[in-house]
Order: sequence, then structure tokens, then C-alpha cells
Amino acid sequence: DIVMTQAAFSNPVTLGTSASISCRSSKSLLHSNGITYLYWYLQKPGQSPQLLIYQMSNLASGVPDRFSSSGSGTDFTLRISRVEAEDVGVYYCAQNLELPFTFGSGTKLEIK
Amino acid sequence: QVQLKESGPGLVAPSQSLSITCTVSGFSLTSYGVHWVRQPPGKGLEWLGVIWAGGSTNYNSALMSRLSISKDNSKSQVFLKMNSLQTDDTAMYYCARANRYDPFDYWGQGTTLTVSS
Repeated sequence: DIVMTQAAFSNPVTLGTSASISCRSSKSLLHSNGITYLYWYLQKPGQSPQLLIYQMSNLASGVPDRFSSSGSGTDFTLRISRVEAEDVGVYYCAQNLELPFTFGSGTKLEIK
Repeated sequence: QVQLKESGPGLVAPSQSLSITCTVSGFSLTSYGVHWVRQPPGKGLEWLGVIWAGGSTNYNSALMSRLSISKDNSKSQVFLKMNSLQTDDTAMYYCARANRYDPFDYWGQGTTLTVSS
């Protein structure tokens, strides 16, 4: 199985500044078709997860462009510019290159 | 609009079985797969399995001996059945929509399962 690794907590950030969350996969998520099957989800307190980013760098519908993502085949970074209070929650990376689909353990965004 | 809604028993005794239903609207089960994901209290997300639009299934190998996913396209319902429940099966159970290389773009609100005597 592909293992997705995330830190439990982000570096504490001040509202209005930028935050970065990292994710690493145990195997390259780059498919032979050129698509990297890496996803980011945000689970706000008491809610279901919601899709933020698909195929490593594409913003899901309705997601503010303060969110962006980049990476290589195995190392990925989610960036949040101008962090807002509504961004608090746990951020999960996930892969669907191979079955079983796997999630990282989640990174909680820490606000100073 | 697209919606998924889980419903389940809430409380099940150890060693018993459970069945959770995901009722969908706004899309057809003949066009989309539906996945099951669970989340133990205070922990992360675990993929359980999927039933694809054509009716085939895939399961998490760690659980596949205890899991079964089926559906009724005409009723827009997907069923998760799990047997030999233990306390560590206590979790929030979610269904989510996705085809093979698509993300989980819509999730249900989840149903809580507690395994306890």
C-alpha cells in the first residue's frame, strides 16, 4: 500500500499570513499519463472532509484561490496565503493512483 | 444538487453485524462509484472500499474478509455490511462519490457507529 506521511501539526501561523503543509508519499504518484494523483482535503471541526485540490495542483470548485498546491512525484506542499479563521481544521493528503486509496494522518493547522 | 446521506444503527454489540445505507440524490449510481471511508474518534481517515458504477467492488485488504458493499440502483442506495464487529470499529462512517481517478468530490455527513456491550 502507498503510505502517505504528514506532520501532526503545522507551524503556528498568524491570521493574514501564509501557511504551508507538507505531505510525502512512499511511491511516486505520477501516472504514465502525466497526471499526479495527489489530493488535498480539509476537515473543519465537526464536518465531513471537503475537497480542496485534485490531481496535485487543481483547485476544486468553490475553493478560494488563497489555496495552492505543488510538488514532485513524492513530495507535496499545500500553501495557504492570507490564512483566515475559517481555514482552521485538519488537512489530509490522499492518493488514488493505486488501490487501496490511502490518506495521510492529517495536519492540524495551528493559529497563533 | 448532489447529496449523500448515511443511515445506520448507531450502537451495535461486539461480535454482531452492521448494515449502513448511503442514500444518494442528484446523480445516478450507474454513472458514479460510491466509496466508504471511516474515521475513529479523534483519528484519521481510512478507506474501506468502493462499489463502482458497473457494480464491481474493491475492498481494503485489511478488512475485506468482514466487508461487503452492494447497491440498489433503482433506489439510489448503497449498502455497507460488516460482520464480527469489535470495539475498534467504533467510528464515523462516511460515503463519498468518485469514479476511478476522480477525487471524492461529495461526501455524506457521516453516521456514527459505536460498538459496545
